[in-house]
Amino acid sequence: QVQLQESGPGLVKTSGTLSLTCAVSGGSISSGYWWSWVRQPPGKGLEWIGEISHSGSTNYNPSLKSRVTISVDKSRNRFSLNLSSVTAADTAVYYCARSGDYCLEYWGQGTLVTVPS
Amino acid sequence: QSALTQPASVSGSPGQSITISCTGTSSDVGTYNLVSWYQQHPGKAPKLVIYEGSKRPSGVSHRFSGSRSGNTASLTISGLQAEDEADYYCCSYAYSTFYVFATGTKVTVL
Repeated sequence: QVQLQESGPGLVKTSGTLSLTCAVSGGSISSGYWWSWVRQPPGKGLEWIGEISHSGSTNYNPSLKSRVTISVDKSRNRFSLNLSSVTAADTAVYYCARSGDYCLEYWGQGTLVTVPS
Repeated sequence: QSALTQPASVSGSPGQSITISCTGTSSDVGTYNLVSWYQQHPGKAPKLVIYEGSKRPSGVSHRFSGSRSGNTASLTISGLQAEDEADYYCCSYAYSTFYVFATGTKVTVL
């Protein structure tokens, strides 16, 4: 079974860039699926950030598109998220997930990223 | 802001059935029915319970079922159990907007 694990700094300065990595195990990132990032501010709902294919094609949430870059590293079986110009509003638990059949099938455990106000 | 609407809360007694609605538009739910539902317990990652409107992933209880009528998708939990108490999110996939989540519904087992 596919497993995903997020990693990265838990604290990012205002106006800085949030960078997270998702390590994929139990399957190849080149298996034909798409790979997503989703976030959840404390006490709030889920927001899809974007996704990437194994070949590097991307789709982004229009509301975040100007600040988001998602990349893939097939050699290390992982993919990454960069979110620039962060503010306190970007404080959230960030999840990585595998997209499939128009849904998000497998999820990482999530990692909390805080941007101090 | 979400384009999908869910009730903030739904409750039921053990053994009862409850239904959570997810109202979209003719541009998403009404046309594609590519709706998925996620269960999230406090402090945990979401878990897929329904995809493509009514399909159940392997390992998900048969007590969970999905349906659609017009622009509204629904998740029904039958034989409600204490472990079903959680937040539930619907998500609609559309080719122009990709994944859009609703605001979520808190299910309480009385």
